[in-house]
Amino acid sequence: QVQLQQSGPGLVKPSQSLSLTCAISGDSVSNSNVVWNWIRQSPSRGLEWLGRTYYRSEWNRDYAVSVKSRITINPDTSKNQFSLQLNSVTPEDTAVYYCARDNNVRGNHIFDYWGQGTLVTVSS
Amino acid sequence: QSVLTQPPSASGTPGQRVTISCSGSSSNIGINSGYWFQQLPGTAPKLLIYRDIQRPSGVPDRFSGSKSDTSTSLAISGLTSEDEADYYCAAWDDSVAGWVFGGGTKLTVV
Repeated sequence: QVQLQQSGPGLVKPSQSLSLTCAISGDSVSNSNVVWNWIRQSPSRGLEWLGRTYYRSEWNRDYAVSVKSRITINPDTSKNQFSLQLNSVTPEDTAVYYCARDNNVRGNHIFDYWGQGTLVTVSS
Repeated sequence: QSVLTQPPSASGTPGQRVTISCSGSSSNIGINSGYWFQQLPGTAPKLLIYRDIQRPSGVPDRFSGSKSDTSTSLAISGLTSEDEADYYCAAWDDSVAGWVFGGGTKLTVV
């Protein structure tokens, strides 16, 4: 059974960086059949895909245009996890952040496992 | 403003069939598959439909998906109170090279 366990602070000051980690159990961050995503949800912006990382002979990262200049998603093979860093945050970045697995077997996209969600509030 | 357009609300009575629509464009649903998620209060979204019409294992066949041109729809038959939730459509969008979502539809079973 795959489990994704999120961790990170729930309060970040404006202009600082938001950092979250998604620890994986029951799968490997290097699994070449899956893609690891970060998605957030807020009342004002709804569900918003932020980016993803995946291994296909080498590590790949794709980011949403809306956050591309501020975001980094990194895998950590030693700890079997992946992380999200979002720089220069504003109150607009206040949201519930989710990590999610996209099971990419046979070209399908099955978002089958999600983290528990982390409410991150940007406030001084 | 979400890229995919859904009605904000829908309702039905127990046992009834309800359909939720999702309108996109030629860069997303028009050329890529539609996806549907169910979100119960306080929980993460759960995938109901992938590749327009496919159900992941464990999803009842009361849930079905369809697609026409740049729109996708989710139908729920035999409504029960357990179906009260928010429903979101999604698709990969080639113009932004990313996943886009609808604004969500709140389903009420009255």
